[in-house]
Amino acid sequence: GQNIDQPTEMTATEGAIVQINCTYQTSGFNGLFWYQQHAGEAPTFLSYNVLDGLEEKGRFSSFLSRSKGYSYLLLKELQMKDSASYLCASMDSNYQLIWGAGTKLIIKP
Amino acid sequence: GAVVSQHPSWVICKSGTSVKIECRSLDFQATTMFWYRQFPKQSLMLMATSNEGSKATYEQGVEKDKFLINHASLTLSTLTVTSAHPEDSSFYICSARVGWREVTDTQYFGPGTRLTVL
Repeated sequence: GQNIDQPTEMTATEGAIVQINCTYQTSGFNGLFWYQQHAGEAPTFLSYNVLDGLEEKGRFSSFLSRSKGYSYLLLKELQMKDSASYLCASMDSNYQLIWGAGTKLIIKP
Repeated sequence: GAVVSQHPSWVICKSGTSVKIECRSLDFQATTMFWYRQFPKQSLMLMATSNEGSKATYEQGVEKDKFLINHASLTLSTLTVTSAHPEDSSFYICSARVGWREVTDTQYFGPGTRLTVL
């Protein structure tokens, strides 16, 4: 079956670094997406990885290991506005997104 | 960037009535649009995929006669919840994708519609 696993909730301190992990098992693989979703709002796109390695985009970086079925989202210099849910999604062989349940990130001052 | 709008942003209706939600791609043509439903503290659940000019493809367990989807143009898709019941209360989100296999274009999401059925 298809499955995406990510932690339910994480807590971090303002100014610190946090890594949100995601493991995936999908029928075929056409890339791994990370989205940010604030409470009551729709998701917004953060990153897309299809090749192994690290993609850096400002304070956010995303890593992919296809052989391990593993990705992580790294957030640096955390700000209070980063408090949100972070959704991991794998695109399968039919180009459909298979979504994880999301990781709620709580930032404390 | 790609902008997707949804209307209305929230709606309250009585049980048994029908509600129509519009999803528009404002600055691009969307060959494919997706409709999702999200219950509190849960992930997005894909309801259906619609391609312009053809019938929508519904996910298993989603009643196509209850959730009517029309994708009449490259910029507009509508979801009609017919004979809504309290259990249909949810956050409905649409997304749009430019190409058939333009995976790097990603899906761009609308702001969502919160439906409450009394």
